[in-house]
Amino acid sequence: GESVGLHLPTLSVQEGDNSIINCAYSNSASDYFIWYKQESGKGPQFIIDIRSNMDKRQGQRVTVLLNKTVKHLSLQIAATQPGDSAVYFCAENAGKSTFGDGTTLTVKP
Amino acid sequence: DVKVTQSSRYLVKRTGEKVFLECVQDMDHENMFWYRQDPGLGLRLIYFSYDVKMKEKGDIPEGYSVSREKKERFSLILESASTNQTSMYLCASSPSQVSYNEQFFGPGTRLTVL
Repeated sequence: GESVGLHLPTLSVQEGDNSIINCAYSNSASDYFIWYKQESGKGPQFIIDIRSNMDKRQGQRVTVLLNKTVKHLSLQIAATQPGDSAVYFCAENAGKSTFGDGTTLTVKP
Repeated sequence: DVKVTQSSRYLVKRTGEKVFLECVQDMDHENMFWYRQDPGLGLRLIYFSYDVKMKEKGDIPEGYSVSREKKERFSLILESASTNQTSMYLCASSPSQVSYNEQFFGPGTRLTVL
């Protein structure tokens, strides 16, 4: 079946450093990917998305990279701040999405 | 702003009880979803609905049922709650199944079954 997995369950970075969170997917037919952020006690919130006809998309301090050859996407957070501490999920497709397990990002002051 | 609300943030029920979790969205979205979230297992889809009175099983529908009588409301029902249904339950909605759209999540209901 389809699966989406994150490479590391936890990531700890120093405030101001850049963070990279990775995700692998198995369904080569997936054509839309989303990164969500879930803060403690809240539901996941949309961060950024990318369609399969792109390999890079930038937002405010965040960049998503998509490598369809190896079925891998990553989320890069520039100048990580304490408010970035959360669980990050990748998801594939738009309707019935398949979610990865999540990476917990901890930002050390 | 899209708002997805869930009827309770915390709920404690006893084994065998019938449990209703309610979800309401205010943006006229066609799609609605119910997930459960457990440590180490991520988000798992229980049921989803693409239209009123329509429902589809997700990955883990056993022990659950759903109801969508109105477009804005999607209810998750635990017919006879069991301890292994203790979990965080998340409701989500999205505009349409044919366009590329993210899901909007509610704050979650943490259910404990004793």
